[in-house]
Parts: sequence; C-alpha cells; structure tokens
Amino acid sequence: DVKVTQSSRYLVKRTGEKVFLECVQDMDHENMFWYRQDPGLGLRLIYFSYDVKMKEKGDIPEGYSVSREKKERFSLILESASTNQTSMYLCASSSEGARVTEAFFGQGTRLTVV
Amino acid sequence: LAKTTQPISMDSYEGQEVNITCSHNNIATNDYITWYQQFPSQGPRFIIQGYKTKVTNEVASLFIPADRKSSTLSLPRVSLSDTAVYYCLVGEISRDSSYKLIFGSGTRLLVRP
Repeated sequence: DVKVTQSSRYLVKRTGEKVFLECVQDMDHENMFWYRQDPGLGLRLIYFSYDVKMKEKGDIPEGYSVSREKKERFSLILESASTNQTSMYLCASSSEGARVTEAFFGQGTRLTVV
Repeated sequence: LAKTTQPISMDSYEGQEVNITCSHNNIATNDYITWYQQFPSQGPRFIIQGYKTKVTNEVASLFIPADRKSSTLSLPRVSLSDTAVYYCLVGEISRDSSYKLIFGSGTRLLVRP
C-alpha cells in the first residue's frame, strides 16, 4: 500500500516559534506538495517540489519555506509561527509524468498556534 | 491558468444517482481532469481521471464533452458513506513541465437517508 506519512496529527505551538512539519513518502515519487486547508477555503497550495532540492511557490507561500534534501522527505517550515497559520496542513506526493495528476495524501497535521 | 468552478453544495438521498458538474473553460490541450473525494479529518483521495469522452471505474463515471470545457462526475446509487467533499482538478503544468495540483473549493455532497 502506498503511504504518505506526516510526523504529527496534532501540534500546538506558540506565536513566534519556528515550526517544522515533516512528510515522508515511500513511493519514490518525484513530486511532493504542501497544502493548508481552512473552512470554506478548500485546499490551498503552499509549495511544491518536483525534485530533490527543487521547489516552487504555490498560491500562498508567504510565511512558509520548504526543504527537500532527500527524495522521500519534504519539510514545511514556519519561520515564526503566527495565529493566522492555525490550520490543517496536508502533504501529498505524485509521480512524474505530464499526464499523471493522481496524488496521494497524508492524514494531515492540525496545527494550532497560540 | 485552468481554474475550475463547481457548485458549493448538493443534497441527495440514498440510492439516487448524483451528478456533479465542473467547468474548466481554460483547460489546456495536455491537461487531464481529475476528481478527488475528501472525508472530514482525512486527506483527499483520488476517485477518477479522464481526458475525453467517458471513463468508468468501480466507484464512479466521468463524462467529458468534446470541447472539454466541463466535466461531470457521476456517482451511481449513493449511500450515506458518500457524504464528502468532491474536488475537480485540472493539471497545471509548471515551468519544468511538472504538475502542480490546484484544488478549488469543492462540492460538499450530503446524502440523506
């Protein structure tokens, strides 16, 4: 079974803290994605990576950075957490291919910034 | 930018067929159309993907007209467990030809007994 694993299901952090959200996939996928999901707003793409050490901004990259040092791992970093970053964060991966858009998602990390 | 537009919500009853239509007027020649399903507190799950005409799998059917500016996800004989949010996506090719997946707001389907 294919698997995308996010390091935490629930996380509570304080304003100003540096926060790391980790995602690991075991499918040897080239593409990895970070989304946030808020009520009424659907899933919004923060960053994605199409190869090791490569990254591209999504629709809402402000306040976030990412790291992809190994193919299977994609980290989302909140440099200085703020309360408006309280959200559900979802990681996904997909294989390379111009026509393949099937992505596999992790269970999500619900982050609360207090 | 191939954005998608779907109804915000739909109601149905158990045993009925449900059709959710998505419009994507700016779809590009190479784009495929993909539908995902999401239950509360879970990540989205792939349902079906197509390029043109009709695609069917064990879960759903996808109808795509010749101009490909819209698509319809058809769920036959829904049950209570089909209550979920359904997202229509059109692949967007980034600079290096990889796909970045852009989700819209989705359609919230409520199936009643």
